[in-house]
Amino acid sequence: KQEVTQIPAALSVPEGENLVLNCSFTDSAIYNLQWFRQDPGKGLTSLLLIQSSQREQTSGRLNASLDKSSGRSTLYIAASQPGDSATYLCAVRYGQNFVFGPGTRLSVLP
Amino acid sequence: DTEVTQTPKHLVMGMTNKKSLKCEQHMGHRAMYWYKQKAKKPPELMFVYSYEKLSINESVPSRFSPECPNSSLLNLHLHALQPEDSALYLCASSRGGVVISYNEQFFGPGTRLTVL
Repeated sequence: KQEVTQIPAALSVPEGENLVLNCSFTDSAIYNLQWFRQDPGKGLTSLLLIQSSQREQTSGRLNASLDKSSGRSTLYIAASQPGDSATYLCAVRYGQNFVFGPGTRLSVLP
Repeated sequence: DTEVTQTPKHLVMGMTNKKSLKCEQHMGHRAMYWYKQKAKKPPELMFVYSYEKLSINESVPSRFSPECPNSSLLNLHLHALQPEDSALYLCASSRGGVVISYNEQFFGPGTRLTVL
């Protein structure tokens, strides 16, 4: 069964800290992995997409890595800001199917 | 333009009503998706349309009926819903096509549905 987990479930940090969010998946036959953020009651905003053949993607203060063989991806956020407070979800693509992790709820305190 | 729009933003309906949710994108994407998201849970895939044909139906009850009238539009027709169907319904689209490893999904803002 294709399962995706994320740790930690929640994280609270002071502004300015660098932090790492983790995503694990049980089936390594993935097409890609996408990181999203979701603000309360809103839709999902795409942050980064890593194709199955890639190891890393960067966008501004965000860096995502992918290790297919170990079934893991990490999202690194540098110099966190209060505006980064949201729920972060990873989604793994298997063909036409997408499996989401349960999310990490991040609070960045000013 | 990387926008997916959804209407209405909010919908309240009784269990005997018939209503529809609408999703639209003008990015030339050929794959469109419906997801259901309950509070504090991740989105769950309901349907996938690829080139206007239904390619995935995740065992969704027949009271939910999807329709893809053209490559830009996706509807979700609702009939005889139950209170437990209350949720945020999200639409997404992606490029589609053969090489899907770089197909990024873009989501709309969602429709907040309440069934009384």
